[in-house]
Amino acid sequence: NAGVTQTPKFRVLKTGQSMTLLCAQDMNHEYMYWYRQDPGMGLRLIHYSVGEGTTAKGEVPDGYNVSRLKKQNFLLGLESAAPSQTSVYFCASSGTHGEPQHFGDGTRLSIL
Amino acid sequence: DAKTTQPTSMDCAEGRAANLPCNHSTISGNEYVYWYRQIHSQGPQYIIHGLKNNETNEMASLIITEDRKSSTLILPHATLRDTAVYYCIVRANNAGNMLTFGGGTRLMVKP
Repeated sequence: NAGVTQTPKFRVLKTGQSMTLLCAQDMNHEYMYWYRQDPGMGLRLIHYSVGEGTTAKGEVPDGYNVSRLKKQNFLLGLESAAPSQTSVYFCASSGTHGEPQHFGDGTRLSIL
Repeated sequence: DAKTTQPTSMDCAEGRAANLPCNHSTISGNEYVYWYRQIHSQGPQYIIHGLKNNETNEMASLIITEDRKSSTLILPHATLRDTAVYYCIVRANNAGNMLTFGGGTRLMVKP
């Protein structure tokens, strides 16, 4: 039972490069989320989705785009990476009606 | 969602109960109290949640005061593996089920 799987686990980028982080869940959850966590801080919501084909902005959406083409996948894109986007990125999913969120193990992204 | 206040850090002796407080004095009637923890930069792990009644599961107990302005998470017999950052989050169960993480409490369980 995989739960929430994030790919890749680590990545180093140069400023201006682009990349896509993949999140996959096998729990048939409606809701999915992308967070970032900077050192010594709590998680901050970037974007989220309440269903296939829908996305919405969270607390810190600038510089990121997302897509939810399939229910089980939620993609986070950085079109032109900046050093300020160096962080650990967590994906989560949940069912509806107040069910708790389940988190992946994170993607550690460094931008030089 | 209502704001929460937690101590920055706490220590607990191994085998003793760990009692982690959370203040949420502005909580609304439809807001739940959720607890998550994060062990050494892993993804956060759900522990327990409640509305107004005390709750217990295999991991912990949640005690919510009668006025709902504060709560306490209790780990009955703390082990070294319970060392983590514990987040208390107040949230209404609306569309999206979004969570707002604060700084949490860093619990250190000592032998």
